[in-house]
Amino acid sequence: AQTVTQSQPEMSVQEAETVTLSCTYDTSESDYYLFWYKQPPSRQMILVIRQEAYKQQNATENRFSVNFQKAAKSFSLKISDSQLGDAAMYFCAYSAMDSNYQLIWGAGTKLIIKP
Amino acid sequence: NAGVTQTPKFQVLKTGQSMTLQCAQDMNHEYMSWYRQDPGMGLRLIHYSVGAGITDQGEVPNGYNVSRSTTEDFPLRLLSAAPSQTSVYFCASSWEGNGYTFGSGTRLTVV
Repeated sequence: AQTVTQSQPEMSVQEAETVTLSCTYDTSESDYYLFWYKQPPSRQMILVIRQEAYKQQNATENRFSVNFQKAAKSFSLKISDSQLGDAAMYFCAYSAMDSNYQLIWGAGTKLIIKP
Repeated sequence: NAGVTQTPKFQVLKTGQSMTLQCAQDMNHEYMSWYRQDPGMGLRLIHYSVGAGITDQGEVPNGYNVSRSTTEDFPLRLLSAAPSQTSVYFCASSWEGNGYTFGSGTRLTVV
């Protein structure tokens, strides 16, 4: 069965600095998708970034980028120029066709931004 | 573009009452899911659908029913509310591996 592991329950970063959140996963599939979701105090779940496993190029969305290491089954999120609005829970998730594209979630990392 | 719309946003039920949480999406997504999120926890899958007329159970299906008669709508029914069902409920929809779009959630309290 596929699993997603986020080993950092909480991270903190100074405003304007860079922070990296870690995520590892386990799967026997070769074609799958990986995601980072953000959940701020409003509790809205927001898709931050998406990576397709067959694409070697790391996905980037403005200040958010990933380091996707397929062989190591690692999918870390880098947030550059951290802003107060980045404070949230960040969840790593996996999906694939063999599980009907249902999301398999990590436990989440709470990101604290220090002003 | 409304995305995923959930109603109501807040609800208080008495133990034993039934109710339906509504979810509608206007993106023509095949896949729809219901999650619950308890305080300090992640999301747990209740039921999901891979298309109109097709539903399946998730991790925590007991006490809930779903149906999918149209592509747009995916209501969640609580059959006989229990305090253990106090939670925040999220509906989400997706087109295959594109990533799910979430509704804003329903905060349900069962007293």
